[in-house]
Amino acid sequence: SSELTQDPAVSVALGQTVRITCQGDSLRNNYANWYQQRPGQAPLLLIYGKNRRPSGIPDRFSGSSSGNTASLTVTGAQTEDEADYYCSFWDIRGNLLTFGGGTKLTVL
Amino acid sequence: EVQLVQSGAEVRKPGESLKISCKGSGHSFTSYWIAWVRQMPGKGLEWMGVIYPIDSDTRYSPSFQGQVTISVDKSISTAFLQWSSLKASDSATYYCARRRKENDYYYMDVWGNGTTVTVSS
Repeated sequence: SSELTQDPAVSVALGQTVRITCQGDSLRNNYANWYQQRPGQAPLLLIYGKNRRPSGIPDRFSGSSSGNTASLTVTGAQTEDEADYYCSFWDIRGNLLTFGGGTKLTVL
Repeated sequence: EVQLVQSGAEVRKPGESLKISCKGSGHSFTSYWIAWVRQMPGKGLEWMGVIYPIDSDTRYSPSFQGQVTISVDKSISTAFLQWSSLKASDSATYYCARRRKENDYYYMDVWGNGTTVTVSS
C-alpha cells in the first residue's frame, strides 16, 4: 500500500520537544520528505532524504526513520512552528507521489 | 532567486474551461520536473502529476488521470494545468513545485505561490 498515515493533531509546550510521525509500508527502508505549511502559505520543504535540511531551515527540525515509520522531531518548539506538517514519499522511479494526511501542530 | 510564479485567482462556472500557469525564473527551467499539487479548502495536499519540460514527459496520479491536462511551454519557462469542463469539486488552491532528484530520492524544493480556483454557478 502507498498510503501514509499521520496523526491529525499534536500539541507541544513552548520550548519542548515534539515528534510527528508518518507510517506506511512504502517507508520501509526509505526516507520521507517533510513539509511545513503555515496558514495561507505555500508548503515549505523542511527535511528531505536522510535528514537533510535546505538552507535556511533551523536545525531544531530533524528527520529520522525506523521500520515503516518516519519521524519529524522539533527540538525546542517555537510559536512560529505552529503549522500543518506533511510527510511525503516518491516511488523509486519518481512516477507516484503520496502525501500523508497532515498533522496540525499546536504550540501551547 | 529561484522562483515559481503562478497566475492569479480564477472564478469560473461549472462546465467552463480553465488553464492556469506556473512560470519559473532564476534557474534552468528545463532541468527539473514540475509537479502540480491540489489543496481543497481545509484539506491536505494531493499530488496531481508531474511534467518534464524538455520533452513534456508527463506522469499523472491515478486520481487525476483524465480529469486534468498538464503541459509546458519551455520557450517561456512555463508549466500549465488545465481543465476542459470544471466541476464545483475542482474548487481548490493549486500549487506547482520544482522536483529535484538527489542520489535515489526525490523532493520538491521550490513551490509556487498557489492559484485559487473557485467554481460556482
